[in-house]
Amino acid sequence: NAGVTQTPKFQVLKTGQSMTLQCAQDMNHEYMSWYRQDPGMGLRLIHYSVGAGITDQGEVPNGYNVSRSTTEDFPLRLLSAAPSQTSVYFCASHATGDYGYTFGSGTRLTVV
Amino acid sequence: GQQLNQSPQSMFIQEGEDVSMNCTSSSIFNTWLWYKQDPGEGPVLLIALYKAGELTSNGRLTAQFGITRKDSFLNISASIPSDVGIYFCAGRAGGTSYGKLTFGQGTILTVHP
Repeated sequence: NAGVTQTPKFQVLKTGQSMTLQCAQDMNHEYMSWYRQDPGMGLRLIHYSVGAGITDQGEVPNGYNVSRSTTEDFPLRLLSAAPSQTSVYFCASHATGDYGYTFGSGTRLTVV
Repeated sequence: GQQLNQSPQSMFIQEGEDVSMNCTSSSIFNTWLWYKQDPGEGPVLLIALYKAGELTSNGRLTAQFGITRKDSFLNISASIPSDVGIYFCAGRAGGTSYGKLTFGQGTILTVHP
């Protein structure tokens, strides 16, 4: 049981480039979310999903897109990377009735 | 949006000492969660609290859900070096906010042997 798997672990982008951060879970969880972590600011919610085909914005959605075509996968797309998007990104999932999210190990993104 | 204020921001303690940290919110939460994050890893759930006034323990960790539903605290007794890390509180409101967690800024804990 792999839990929540995020790829890549590290990425360097140039300003204006696009990329997709991958997230997959094998626990058949309905809920999935993306957070970014910046020093002194905790984790902030970017987008979340309550099931396949359903997504909604979180606290800091600008510059990011998501889709949820399957229960297992929840990719996060950066359309045109900016230095302000330099951060550590975490994907998380949980099942209905289970209030505690299971987190992946993160993707450390640097935009230069 | 909802705000969670977590304090202290950092703590430097000696092994064997007890630790206390807390979170306060500007609004009511239905669930309080406490997570620990080790370097290079994602947060791991320590304790979940579901009812106002609830006091829950997990080994040397004890957490409480405040009566007003706007605060929670975490205590760690007899700290050991492996307690080092960042501790986060998180809250979940009800209704359409189900699935959304709001996190505090984190408490960085350093334990000196």
